[in-house]
Amino acid sequence: AQSVAQPEDQVNVAEGNPLTVKCTYSVSGNPYLFWYVQYPNRGLQFLLKYITGDNLVKGSYGFEAEFNKSQTSFHLKKPSALVSDSALYFCAVRAHTDKLIFGTGTRLQVFP
Amino acid sequence: ETGVTQTPRHLVMGMTNKKSLKCEQHLGHNAMYWYKQSAKKPLELMFVYSLEERVENNSVPSRFSPECPNSSHLFLHLHTLQPEDSALYLCASRLGGGTEAFFGQGTRLTVV
Repeated sequence: AQSVAQPEDQVNVAEGNPLTVKCTYSVSGNPYLFWYVQYPNRGLQFLLKYITGDNLVKGSYGFEAEFNKSQTSFHLKKPSALVSDSALYFCAVRAHTDKLIFGTGTRLQVFP
Repeated sequence: ETGVTQTPRHLVMGMTNKKSLKCEQHLGHNAMYWYKQSAKKPLELMFVYSLEERVENNSVPSRFSPECPNSSHLFLHLHTLQPEDSALYLCASRLGGGTEAFFGQGTRLTVV
């Protein structure tokens, strides 16, 4: 069965500092991995994805993520956090079928 | 604006009512999803339709009944709901393969 784990309920970071939001996955075969962001009372917005190729993928709003097959991880990163990055972040995995499974989410709080 | 439209945005219903949630996309996508988002279980996959055929029913109670009359529309029919069914219901669609999902804004459902 495929699954996604986001081990941190909340991540706090000061504005201007680098941020990392962690994600690990479990799936048989090659995974398709995604990151989404959700602002209050809104649906989810796509940030970036890994399908194949370069392990470092770049996405919207300066975010990037690194696919690590040996550690089955896909951590989301940004070199310099903004207060406006404060939101709920979800990692997702898809393999084989159209079933798209999300993690439990990590709330990112960026302090001025 | 993602191209996925959900109506209504807010719904309050009694436990004996029957109502329907609607999702519409004209993006040419062939897979559509219903997710339930609540404080207890963020982003719980409910149903998946691929090419108008239901391919996933994630042990959802029968008081939730999905319908996909064509590739552009997805409904969630609700009847005799319980207060614990109060949540944000999100619809998503995607083209398939390694493509990302596009989410609607959600319907905030309150069962009284």
